[in-house]
Amino acid sequence: DIQMTQSPSTLSASVGDRVTITCRASQSISSWLAWYQQKPGKAPKLLIYKASNLESGVPSRFSGSESGTEFTLTISSLQPDDFATYYCQQYNSFPYTFGQGTKVEVK
Amino acid sequence: QVQLQESGPGLVKPSETLSLTCTVSGYSISSGYYWGWIRQPPGKGLEWIGNIYHSGNTYYNPSLKSRVTISVDTSKNQFSLKLSSVTAADTAVYYCARDCNGGSCYHNFDYWGQGILVTVSS
Repeated sequence: DIQMTQSPSTLSASVGDRVTITCRASQSISSWLAWYQQKPGKAPKLLIYKASNLESGVPSRFSGSESGTEFTLTISSLQPDDFATYYCQQYNSFPYTFGQGTKVEVK
Repeated sequence: QVQLQESGPGLVKPSETLSLTCTVSGYSISSGYYWGWIRQPPGKGLEWIGNIYHSGNTYYNPSLKSRVTISVDTSKNQFSLKLSSVTAADTAVYYCARDCNGGSCYHNFDYWGQGILVTVSS
């Protein structure tokens, strides 16, 4: 199985901050990586697919990038609606695997 | 607009079989793509359970493979999950989702159901 190591597990930030979350794959997954946002009691919402493609309707302050087996989700200017938990997930091969999640909380 | 809705018992006894159905609207399952089940224990992260292709091919998480069956009923535009011999560790919110992965679509899980909490308890 491909292991996805996500960091940090918790991130304290303020509105307007630039936020970066990292996900590292245990082996090559090409660009087959998605990022999801989840709020309490809600289903995950797709933000980024294929490492750097913004899902329709997602604000442009969200972006994704990759360097080898390391993937990054960046929020350029954190907004009140962005406080949530974020997950990465590889879909290069079955079994699909998720990162452990990063909770973005108010500083 | 594509919509998914999970249904099934919210309480299952230990050692019994958990059975859930996902009803899809706004898209015909037989048109293509994968359809998946993901679960999330209370306060924990996401775990992929398995996928089924519209043709019926299935792919399961090895950690659950001996207990999981996913099937599709294209006539009802539904797909289903059965998880046998459940224990308290199977208590979770269960989500169904469309895995738009193939052809010209690479979005992975782009549409999700709202989730259903299943508690395993006697």
